[in-house]
Amino acid sequence: NAGVTQNPKFQVLKTGQSMTLQCAQDMNHNSMYWYRQDPGMGLRLIYYSASEGTTDKGEVPNGYNVSRLNKREFSLRLESAAPSQTSVYFCASIFGGGVNEQYFGPGTRLTVT
Amino acid sequence: RKEVEQDPGPFNVPEGATVAFNCTYSNSASQSFFWYRQDCRKEPKLLMSVYSSGNEDGRFTAQLNRASQYISLLIRDSKLSDSATYLCVVNRRTGANNLFFGTGTRLTVIP
Repeated sequence: NAGVTQNPKFQVLKTGQSMTLQCAQDMNHNSMYWYRQDPGMGLRLIYYSASEGTTDKGEVPNGYNVSRLNKREFSLRLESAAPSQTSVYFCASIFGGGVNEQYFGPGTRLTVT
Repeated sequence: RKEVEQDPGPFNVPEGATVAFNCTYSNSASQSFFWYRQDCRKEPKLLMSVYSSGNEDGRFTAQLNRASQYISLLIRDSKLSDSATYLCVVNRRTGANNLFFGTGTRLTVIP
């Protein structure tokens, strides 16, 4: 049982490049989330998916797109990376609603130069 | 006003000390409350849920004061391994998009 996995762990992009961050969970969780974490800002929700086939914007969705490929996988895409997107990205999942524990992946450290 | 506010610290305490963190939340309809722990360059992990009657897990005690809208975490007999950032998390209601994270309080336990 791997929990929540993310790939890649580290990435350096040039401004304007695109990339997809991968996330998968093997806990049969319904809801999945993408957060970014910046110093002094805490975790900010980018997008979430309450269930397979649905996605919704969070607090900071601009510059990102997501795909809930199936129940296990939820990817985050940066179409044209900007230095402001330099951050640590965490994927998370939860069974049912927010009263339950949220499980996080190990994170992707992204630098955009 | 932020949904969840915490003193960022840092709190530097000697081994064996007792330390307490507070967290305030703005939405009185909030239903569920948690403390997460995040080690340096790692993902957050659940430390404990916070129940209305207060709850204890070993050296850790969590309290909820709904009237004043704050949550506390007390750590007794601090260990070096307690050094981490502690995140206060509040759920406004059941549903997928109602978790709000504080920015975290950094604790360093000194030998």
